[in-house]
Amino acid sequence: NAGVTQTPKFRILKIGQSMTLQCTQDMNHNYMYWYRQDPGMGLKLIYYSVGAGITDKGEVPNGYNVSRSTTEDFPLRLELAAPSQTSVYFCASSYSFPGQSYGYTFGSGTRLTVV
Amino acid sequence: AQTVTQSQPEMSVQEAETVTLSCTYDTSESDYYLFWYKQPPSRQMILVIRQEAYKQQNATENRFSVNFQKAAKSFSLKISDSQLGDAAMYFCAFPMRFGAGTRLTVKP
Repeated sequence: NAGVTQTPKFRILKIGQSMTLQCTQDMNHNYMYWYRQDPGMGLKLIYYSVGAGITDKGEVPNGYNVSRSTTEDFPLRLELAAPSQTSVYFCASSYSFPGQSYGYTFGSGTRLTVV
Repeated sequence: AQTVTQSQPEMSVQEAETVTLSCTYDTSESDYYLFWYKQPPSRQMILVIRQEAYKQQNATENRFSVNFQKAAKSFSLKISDSQLGDAAMYFCAFPMRFGAGTRLTVKP
């Protein structure tokens, strides 16, 4: 059982470039989330989704976009990368919303550096 | 809004000893869940333990237990018989709201 799979694990972007962080889960969870973790900090919510076709902003959505065309996939798009987006990005999913009963299952993260 | 505060950026414990990590929180809700997550150097976030606010009994998972004081809005994590593999960042969290973390070092 793979759980939550994120790709790539590492990426270096130049300022102004765009990229998509991929996230797939095989647990049939309706609820999925994107977090970023800055050095020495906790996780901050970027976007979340309560099901296919339904997404909403979290605490720090600026500079990002998401889509949810299937239950399994929840990609995060960075447009016009900026140094402030240098961070580790985590995708997560949960059985219940917003992860009340059983917490989250996390992917292994993507370390993104914007230079 | 919910807030989570971890006042100990770093903690250290001797192997086989017990350590307690502190967490305070604020919420206007009466029913909620709280969590502790572990993040080892591998970066993987791992759920350690969860507590349901309406339950009086403190949650326990093997060597990990919590001291949940609802009135004081305190949710500390106790690790007994510390092992080298316990070295990690520990995050106290609501759903969708995380503290800044405590880095735990385990000395052999």
